Amino acid sequence: DIVMTQSPDSLAVALGERATITCKSSQSVLSSSNNKNYLAWYQHKPGQPPKLLFYWASTRESGVPDRFSGSGSGTDFTLTISSLQAADVAVYFCHQYYSPPPTFGQGTKVEIK
Amino acid sequence: QAQLVQSGAEVKRPGASVKVSCKASGYIFPGYYISWVRQAPGQGLEWMGWINANTGATKFEQKFQDRVTMTRDTSNNTVYMELSGLRFDDTAVYYCARDPIPATVTSLRNWFDPWGQGTLVTVSS
Repeated sequence: DIVMTQSPDSLAVALGERATITCKSSQSVLSSSNNKNYLAWYQHKPGQPPKLLFYWASTRESGVPDRFSGSGSGTDFTLTISSLQAADVAVYFCHQYYSPPPTFGQGTKVEIK
Repeated sequence: QAQLVQSGAEVKRPGASVKVSCKASGYIFPGYYISWVRQAPGQGLEWMGWINANTGATKFEQKFQDRVTMTRDTSNNTVYMELSGLRFDDTAVYYCARDPIPATVTSLRNWFDPWGQGTLVTVSS
């Protein structure tokens, strides 16, 4: 199984500042057949369903604010929140869907400093 | 808008079974696969398996093969996940999540959207 490792486990960022979360996969999730990275990012707030933010590593889901960006390729990926808002306090996790079974990062808790 | 709503929290004894439901709305229910994913306390998310909501075909992660059953009721737009032989380490939040690509064309290698809100299953003596 592909192991997904996120860092850090938690971070505290001041309002308006940048938050950066990384996700590393133990194997490449880039498909040579379609040049797509099989990587998704989600936001998870307590008591709510996880919310899709990005798929194909950098394709923003409809309605996701553009202060969120997803980047990376192969085995190294980044989720960036360019200007943290109070509404962004949540756990964020990555998910590879390249190789069954689908696997997930352990999550990164983002808080306000 | 597609939505999945799960049944409420459960407390079970070791060795018992639990059946969690996931009711779909806002889309054509039989047209998609639903997966089940769980998260034990302090652990990461773990995929358990999927069900084709139309045909009822299932595939399970090997570690759950002998203990999990997934079914669907197309008249109620609901899928069910039943886990038997519960152990203390089955204590977790269980989520259903939809493959967003229609079942007729999906590769089953897709992100999940939407997710249910989660069902806490506690195994306690």
